[in-house]
Amino acid sequence: QSVLTQPPSASGTRGQRVSISCSGSRSDIGTNTVNWYQQLPGSAPKLLIYSTNQRPSGVPERFSGSKSGTSASLAISGLQSEDEGDYYCASWDDSLNAWVFGGGTELTVL
Amino acid sequence: EVQLVESGGGVVQPGESLRLSCAASGFNLGNYWMHWVRRAPGKGLVWVSRISSDGSSKAYADSVKGRFTISRDIAKNTLYLEMNSLRVEDSAVYFCTRDIFKPGPRGGENWFDPWGQGTLVTVSS
Repeated sequence: QSVLTQPPSASGTRGQRVSISCSGSRSDIGTNTVNWYQQLPGSAPKLLIYSTNQRPSGVPERFSGSKSGTSASLAISGLQSEDEGDYYCASWDDSLNAWVFGGGTELTVL
Repeated sequence: EVQLVESGGGVVQPGESLRLSCAASGFNLGNYWMHWVRRAPGKGLVWVSRISSDGSSKAYADSVKGRFTISRDIAKNTLYLEMNSLRVEDSAVYFCTRDIFKPGPRGGENWFDPWGQGTLVTVSS
C-alpha cells in the first residue's frame, strides 16, 4: 500500500481537461513539495512537474501542478492520445525519512 | 546528453543474489545523489535506496534494509545495487535516477531526473 493515495484510473476524451489527485499527510505533502512523473507504455518514468508546480523545459504548458494542505493535484488540459500512460506523485516524508510515491494513476484517453 | 543505462537484471531463485549496474553518461556521479526505484508487476513506483554525492551517506527502504547495498564507482561513473537474499516480492523493474537539488528557504527541494529505462529482476522458484 502506497503512502500517497492516488485514484487507480482516470479518463477523458481528446481535448478535455482531467485532474489527478494525490493525498498525503502533514509529514510529506503537508511539509514538502510534490513532484509528478509520467510513465508512458514501454518507456522510463519522466519528470513532468517538480517543486509542486514547475514544468521542466520541454513539458507542454497544458500540464500543471498544485497543492493545498496535504493534497496535490495534476491537471492536464487539451488531452491528447499520447498522454495515455501512468502518472505518479512523489514527495519526501519527514517522518519516514524516505521518498514516498503514490500508487499511480492510469490515464486513458477515450 | 545526460543518460542512465541499467543492466544486470535476470531470473534468480529465492535466496540468491544479483548485482545491478547503472552506467551514467553526460554528468559525473560524484556531483549528485543517486537513487534506485522499483516497480513491481501491476504495482506503483517504490523508492529503494539512495547514496549521497560523496558516497558517505546511504539509505534504504525498510523492505530491503540489510539485504541490499548501494555503491558507486566514480572512475567508471557507474552506480550499483547489490541484492542478496532475494525474495519473490523483490521481483520488479529497477530504475536508477539522479537526484536534482535546488537550495531554498526551507532547506531546499529535490526531484528525480532523468531515469534509466530499467532492468527486470524476476525472483522465482
